[in-house]
Parts: sequence; C-alpha cells; structure tokens
Amino acid sequence: SQQGEEDPQALSIQEGENATMNCSYKTSINNLQWYRQNSGRGLVHLILIRSNEREKHSGRLRVTLDTSKKSSSLLITASRAADTASYFCATDAGGNMLTFGGGTRLMVKP
Amino acid sequence: DAEITQSPRHKITETGRQVTLACHQTWNHNNMFWYRQDLGHGLRLIHYSYGVQDTNKGEVSDGYSVSRSNTEDLPLTLESAASSQTSVYFCASSPGGRKYFGPGTRLTVT
Repeated sequence: SQQGEEDPQALSIQEGENATMNCSYKTSINNLQWYRQNSGRGLVHLILIRSNEREKHSGRLRVTLDTSKKSSSLLITASRAADTASYFCATDAGGNMLTFGGGTRLMVKP
Repeated sequence: DAEITQSPRHKITETGRQVTLACHQTWNHNNMFWYRQDLGHGLRLIHYSYGVQDTNKGEVSDGYSVSRSNTEDLPLTLESAASSQTSVYFCASSPGGRKYFGPGTRLTVT
C-alpha cells in the first residue's frame, strides 16, 4: 500500500513558470523526503524535511510540511526544461524505511 | 567517489528460473534496501538490511530473498521467477535519512 499520494499525477508547464506538487500521507512520520527520477534512471534525493519543520528551501526548491493535515508540497520556481522528470514524495515513519507515493510526472516545455 | 552499482542492468529470464540481482555500495552504509517499481504502484519495498547478517521483509517480499554477508553487498534472489516479477528493481543504501539509489535493473520474466 502507498503511504503517500501525489497530486497531480501529471503536470505540464512552460519554462520559467513555477511547478507545485502536493503529497498526502496517512500515518505519523519522522520525516518526509522528495526524490526526482529522470526517465530510465535511478531516484535522486532532493530534500528531506523533518516532522518538526514546516518549511525548507534548497536552491529553487521549496518544501512545506503540514503534519496536522498530513500533507506536503514541493515548489520548483523558475522551472527549466531540465526539470522534466517524475517527482516522488516518500515518508519515513521509523526504521529508515521509506514508503513512496505514485509520483508526479512533470513536463517543462521550452 | 563513493557509489552504488547494480548488475545486470537488463535481464531476461524464463519462468521458474532462479535469478540473482547484485547491488554493491562503497559508502560503507549499514542500511540497504531493495525496491521494485511498477507502473501505477510507485516504488514498493521488497527487503531491507540494517547491517551484516541482518535481513528483514518488506511490503512485497513473497518470492524474494536477500542475504548480507558484508557491508557492501545486498544481493536479491528470485527463487523461482514468475511473470508477475517483471519489473524494474532498485537498490538503495543509506546512513540514515536520505537514500542513495542505484541505476536499476530491468528484469523481464517470459
């Protein structure tokens, strides 16, 4: 079963626009992580936000976490064609094991 | 540079055969994981290990086994391959928190 569910499943935007992806989960967590996967490649870690944090930034990425609503969002600002990929949220409820959502496919058009 | 590798990258096998997928990491991480990725299911945890001689079952462990004889390697064995095990398999290692993923093995069972 999937702990996280991403929304939307697919997103298409123009270069320079912002992209927002949302993730909802079901149980209490220690942390929530976002990963990127380019077609045919492995997953690359983007950012980790702990359960006691509300917002975190890394370059053009901004992640928020609302534990009361069991939800998180990933914002990519000023998107580039190279940002085209699938993005996954993953929750760690303990034991360093991650439970992944189904992902959001982002297409950034030049 | 430290890395995580998987072999083979592609494998075609017949139903009923035993198959072993290799995973090797040079970070000296204690934690290692095997996931499978299927369309519509995201990544699902098969087995994981917290250290040498430690192995644990994940969400979809039936038909799979792992062994951990050293820190660097966590081979995944399909005892008797089934068509339902056609998938892309990802190995990951972690010091805790973020995970480092291998490039994946695409397995086809005919």
